[in-house]
Amino acid sequence: DTGVSQNPRHKITKRGQNVTFRCDPISEHNRLYWYRQTLGQGPEFLTYFQNEAQLEKSRLLSDRFSAERPKGSFSTLEIQRTEQGDSAMYLCASSSRRTSGTGTQYFGPGTRLLVL
Amino acid sequence: DAKTTQPTSMDCAEGRAANLPCNHSTISGNEYVYWYRQIHSQGPQYIIHGLKNNETNEMASLIITEDRKSSTLILPHATLRDTAVYYCIGGSPSGGGADGLTFGKGTHLIIQP
Repeated sequence: DTGVSQNPRHKITKRGQNVTFRCDPISEHNRLYWYRQTLGQGPEFLTYFQNEAQLEKSRLLSDRFSAERPKGSFSTLEIQRTEQGDSAMYLCASSSRRTSGTGTQYFGPGTRLLVL
Repeated sequence: DAKTTQPTSMDCAEGRAANLPCNHSTISGNEYVYWYRQIHSQGPQYIIHGLKNNETNEMASLIITEDRKSSTLILPHATLRDTAVYYCIGGSPSGGGADGLTFGKGTHLIIQP
C-alpha cells in the first residue's frame, strides 16, 4: 500500500491556460474523490467516481472543470481557461468498503495551483 | 451529512493528553463520526471513526456520548508533531464511502513545548 499519489505537487499557470492534474488512488480502491481547499477553509467536495463512473458532482464544479477516470484506476482533473479564483489546493482521496468496511477515505498530498 | 461544531483553536502542553470536543447534535442514527487531521501543507489524514461505541487505535481514542450528540477525540500523549487542524465529520449513511465528506473549519490544535 503506497498511498494516494498526486502529480504535479505544485502548478503555476497564467490566467486563461488549461491545467490537468493526475491522481493515482490506493490499488484496489474502487472509489475516488476530488476536493478543493482554499486558504483557511476545510476541503470542499467536488466530484466522486465509483470505478470509471462519475456518480456525483458538486455545484462547485463549473463547466470549466472536467474529471475522468477512464479505466477505473487513475483519475485526471482538468481546468480549462483558468481564473485567479481557481487558485487552491486540489486534493484526491480514495476508499473501498471492501477493504475498510466503512469506506474511510484516504487522501493524497494534494496539488497546489496558483493562477497568476 | 450532520453539521458539526468544534472550537476554533486549542492549546495543549507536550506530553499531556489533548482532548478535542465536537458537537454533532443532528447526527442520524446510522451516520459515523469521523476524525481527520491536516498538518500544514499536507492532505488530510484519517485518524479514527466510530458509530456508537468508544474506539481506540494506535493514534487516538474516540469517546462518543450515549445520545451520540457529541464526541471527544483524545490524543493520549501529545507531541509537537500533533500540531494540526483536526476535523470532526458526521459521515454519510454509507459510512463516508458514497458521498463526499463535509469538512468544517476544524480545530487548530497547537502543542506547546
